[in-house]
Amino acid sequence: GAGVSQSPSNKVTEKGKDVELRCDPISGHTALYWYRQRLGQGLEFLIYFQGNSAPDKSGLPSDRFSAERTGESVSTLTIQRTQQEDSAVYLCASSLLGQGISPLHFGNGTRLTVT
Amino acid sequence: DQQVKQNSPSLSVQEGRISILNCDYTNSMFDYFLWYKKYPAEGPTFLISISSIKDKNEDGRFTVFLNKSAKHLSLHIVPSQPGDSAVYFCAASAEGRSQGNLIFGKGTKLSVKP
Repeated sequence: GAGVSQSPSNKVTEKGKDVELRCDPISGHTALYWYRQRLGQGLEFLIYFQGNSAPDKSGLPSDRFSAERTGESVSTLTIQRTQQEDSAVYLCASSLLGQGISPLHFGNGTRLTVT
Repeated sequence: DQQVKQNSPSLSVQEGRISILNCDYTNSMFDYFLWYKKYPAEGPTFLISISSIKDKNEDGRFTVFLNKSAKHLSLHIVPSQPGDSAVYFCAASAEGRSQGNLIFGKGTKLSVKP
């Protein structure tokens, strides 16, 4: 069916506000990933969910960032007390086997602008 | 400390010619490498991959070469087409690490001129 869906596609928020980004992975994909891309930079790993295992949160840049996933479906990435350096495109991806060798299927991303 | 480096931010080639995109890595634990292609306002899409047990993998116009001793890989596109114009990301994975944690380079913007 459909690919990875992310919402909103664009989000402008004021510094200090909280934001919530949503990702709907491809149905049946057990692994879900969040990356971000800041201007002029590569993709930066944030967090990874695989089935019922504890998520790998090693890429989260600060405790203002958190993410949840309900079973093997929707995930939300929450950024509290946003800062201007949080401005980036936040990309969600899913894969079938949850292994590094299984290609990731990315959504189109959420462009976050913190003013 | 960048573990995956794409030292050329941009590359311009003529339609029909070969495009060669390069990628260097520092972590000897990496054992799987992937190339992704990204158009503006879209997410990256998987292009081609190679395991460290191989030195070459070919798929149509796309070939990836791996030189483990030099910790270098390259993506060859031949012949290049205007539709190949995009940003290309090199990514690497290490077995035993968090298997979802692909490390990406900063990307190379390829422009193929008609």
